[in-house]
Amino acid sequence: GAGVSQSPSNKVTEKGKDVELRCDPISGHTALYWYRQSLGQGLEFLIYFQGNSAPDKSGLPSDRFSAERTGGSVSTLTIQRTQQEDSAVYLCASSLGGQGREQYFGPGTRLTVT
Amino acid sequence: RKEVEQDPGPFNVPEGATVAFNCTYSNSASQSFFWYRQDCRKEPKLLMSVYSSGNEDGRFTAQLNRASQYISLLIRDSKLSDSATYLCAVNRKGANNLFFGTGTRLTVIP
Repeated sequence: GAGVSQSPSNKVTEKGKDVELRCDPISGHTALYWYRQSLGQGLEFLIYFQGNSAPDKSGLPSDRFSAERTGGSVSTLTIQRTQQEDSAVYLCASSLGGQGREQYFGPGTRLTVT
Repeated sequence: RKEVEQDPGPFNVPEGATVAFNCTYSNSASQSFFWYRQDCRKEPKLLMSVYSSGNEDGRFTAQLNRASQYISLLIRDSKLSDSATYLCAVNRKGANNLFFGTGTRLTVIP
């Protein structure tokens, strides 16, 4: 079946601009996660959505970052007023149910802030 | 202290060799454990979950040692195609996300 899809695959933006990244999870997966991975670093958790529950935003690094998930499916991650340190690969994952279940990743969006 | 730690390697092994990686976790409330494989400039792909009794999938064997708080991955009869970075991931009670190690780089040499 179809895996997690993300768009765009690459995004180059100027410092100070806003960007939107999109994630389409595996059909039927109720849980959706955003992580980011900087060069040579481990994956850093950003935000978690599970069904209709309030999202877990504990990993968002600043108030410039926000995310929403519409209709329990597609999610968008928005970064406002991008900074160079936001450059990273942004990875979306989904799982059947939440906590402790296997997570399956999309191909990621490589964001470069110039 | 980091939630999850791995030896970054690199591990360079000849084809056919057996290689093992360990991954330590700091929180005793950790409850789910996984190994992921990540190829260069690709996303992590789930390799296997790690069960308390240990589990095997073909040439890959995963073990959990709760007393010492580590998980291990053993790869037998290494193939060139096994060359990748291996990430361990841990979920702990009360957290929604997985905590990832920074990965161990494996290169299998002809």
